[in-house]
Amino acid sequence: ETGVTQSPTHLIKTRGQQVTLRCSSQSGHNTVSWYQQALGQGPQFIFQYYREEENGRGNFPPRFSGLQFPNYSSELNVNALELDDSALYLCASSFDRTNYGYTFGSGTRLTVV
Amino acid sequence: SQQGEEDPQALSIQEGENATMNCSYKTSINNLQWYRQNSGRGLVHLILIRSNEREKHSGRLRVTLDTSKKSSSLLITASRAADTASYFCATDAATNAGKSTFGDGTTLTVKP
Repeated sequence: ETGVTQSPTHLIKTRGQQVTLRCSSQSGHNTVSWYQQALGQGPQFIFQYYREEENGRGNFPPRFSGLQFPNYSSELNVNALELDDSALYLCASSFDRTNYGYTFGSGTRLTVV
Repeated sequence: SQQGEEDPQALSIQEGENATMNCSYKTSINNLQWYRQNSGRGLVHLILIRSNEREKHSGRLRVTLDTSKKSSSLLITASRAADTASYFCATDAATNAGKSTFGDGTTLTVKP
C-alpha cells in the first residue's frame, strides 16, 4: 500500500506566473482534499475532489482550480500568482468523502517572489 | 475563520513529563482528529474521536472530548524528545462532512 505523494517538493515562481502541483492519493482512496498552510498557521481548506468532481470549496478565489483524474490523482492549479500564495500546499486523501483521518502527503513548498 | 483553536500556542517541557494540549471549536461535529506535524512537513494522523465518544487512548496518547463545552484535549504521557512537533486538532463538522477544519496548532518542545 502506497501513501500520498506530492510533486514537486519545492518550487519558486515569479508573481503573475501560473503553477501546477500534483498529488497521487493513497491506494484505495477516491477523495482528495487540498489545503494551504501559511507559515505558523494551520492548514486552510482549498477544495475537495471526489470521483473527478469538485465536492466543496473553501474561501479561495477562482484562480485556484483543480482536477481529479480517473486514477484519483489530482492537480492544483494556481493562476496569476501573488506573493501571499507562498505557502506549503498539502494534499490529503480519504475514502468516499468521509474523513476518518486523512492521509497527508509531505507537501509542496511554494515560494512566490 | 478557523473552527478549532488550540491552547496553548506553545508548550515547553522536560523529557518524561506529560504534555496537555486543548482544542475548542464552534459548531456541531461528526468527529475530531488530532494530527502531528514535524518541521513544516506533512501532517500525520494520530487519533480520531467521534462525537458520541468521551475518551480514547492510543499508546501514550489520551484524547478526551466534551461536546457540551465544544472542547477536546490531547495528553501525551512520558514525553520524549522525538515528540517535539506541532500538534493540530481538526474538526469534521456535521454540516460540512468530510472536509475537516484545522486550528493553528500547539508547538510542543520536549527538552532532553
